[in-house]
Amino acid sequence: EVHLVESGGGLVQPGGSLRLSCAASGFTFNIYWMHWVRQVPGKGPVWVSRISTDGSSTSFADSVKGRFTISRDNAKNTVYLQMNSLRVEDTAVYYCARVAAGYDYWGRGTQVTVSS
Amino acid sequence: DIVVTQSPDSLAVSLGERATINCKSSQSLLHSSHNKNYLAWYQQKPGQPPQLFIYWASTRDSGVPDRFSGSGSGTDFTLTVSSVQAEDVAVYYCQQYYDTPYTFGQGTKLEIK
Repeated sequence: EVHLVESGGGLVQPGGSLRLSCAASGFTFNIYWMHWVRQVPGKGPVWVSRISTDGSSTSFADSVKGRFTISRDNAKNTVYLQMNSLRVEDTAVYYCARVAAGYDYWGRGTQVTVSS
Repeated sequence: DIVVTQSPDSLAVSLGERATINCKSSQSLLHSSHNKNYLAWYQQKPGQPPQLFIYWASTRDSGVPDRFSGSGSGTDFTLTVSSVQAEDVAVYYCQQYYDTPYTFGQGTKLEIK
């Protein structure tokens, strides 16, 4: 059974950093692109970043470009989102998602709160 | 970026009645090379992540009841629930995966009248 489990969220001050992890199991991790998506309660999901199967290709939403990086360790079946220079507007639930036709599997998310 | 717009924002339907949600894209989602529309529908219930219900605009994901159907092509799409049940109360999102950034509609809240 496919599982995606996010961790690493929490409360951080503006300007701070967090590293999110997404541990995958139940499927052949290294053949899937992986994305991070965030969602503010009551709002629609918003795409944040994506990474190719081998990590050689990445892209980011304009709102996080230059502040966030994405990486993966296929030996550990894990994808990461390094978030630096965090802003209040980055507050959201962050999900990792497996890419098929759309997102066929999502994790349960990890809450990131940026506040002083 | 491709803009995806849903209508209505909310919808109240009696049990057993039909519900229809519309989704419009700012550009065609039909990929000519293999004639597929890069459009998905998700259901989200409170406290849960979105769940994929429909992909390629009209293909139901595994386990999705057959009262749910997707239709449309190009820029205009529809999610239909043929006979709404109590467990269908949720927010529904359409999403284009034709190009990054993959963009979602603003959501449609389905309630029971």
